[in-house]
Amino acid sequence: AQTVTQSQPEMSVQEAETVTLSCTYDTSESDYYLFWYKQPPSRQMILVIRQEAYKQQNATENRFSVNFQKAAKSFSLKISDSQLGDAAMYFCAYRSGQYGNKLVFGAGTILRVKS
Amino acid sequence: ETGVTQSPTHLIKTRGQQVTLRCSSQSGHNTVSWYQQALGQGPQFIFQYYREEENGRGNFPPRFSGLQFPNYSSELNVNALELDDSALYLCASSLGLRGENYGYTFGSGTRLTVV
Repeated sequence: AQTVTQSQPEMSVQEAETVTLSCTYDTSESDYYLFWYKQPPSRQMILVIRQEAYKQQNATENRFSVNFQKAAKSFSLKISDSQLGDAAMYFCAYRSGQYGNKLVFGAGTILRVKS
Repeated sequence: ETGVTQSPTHLIKTRGQQVTLRCSSQSGHNTVSWYQQALGQGPQFIFQYYREEENGRGNFPPRFSGLQFPNYSSELNVNALELDDSALYLCASSLGLRGENYGYTFGSGTRLTVV
């Protein structure tokens, strides 16, 4: 079974600075997708960024980018120019490419943004 | 375009009782997945419904059951409630089993407290 590990329960960043959230996963599959979701106090999961395992290029969405290291099974999220609205719980998630009808989530990282 | 709507937002039940949670999928989505998120943890996959049939189930006992209706809305039923069932229940809709095209849209969840 696939597992996702987020080793940082909590992180803090100063407004306008850069922060990196870590995620590692375990799988024997070669075809899969990785995601970062944001969960603010409103509780709704919001997709931040997604990476297909077959793509070598790291995904980027505006201030958000990932460092995808397939051999190391690592998938970190970098947030540049942090804003107060970035404060939330962030979850790393995995989905199998071939059999995937579900997301496997990590335990999450609370991100605090200081003004 | 409406998002995913879940009802009720909060619920308090007594141990041993039964509960029904409801989810209206996003317009155009035909698949609904349910997740349980215990406090301080990542969401855990309960099951998925596609074309009114269960398509995949996580490690949850049979007292967790569901339905999907012709309009793609869904219900999650939990019988014989236990204290450990206290959690945030999230519904996610998608177009297709794996959300290939547009990913998953999550609702804001139902907070269930069992006393």
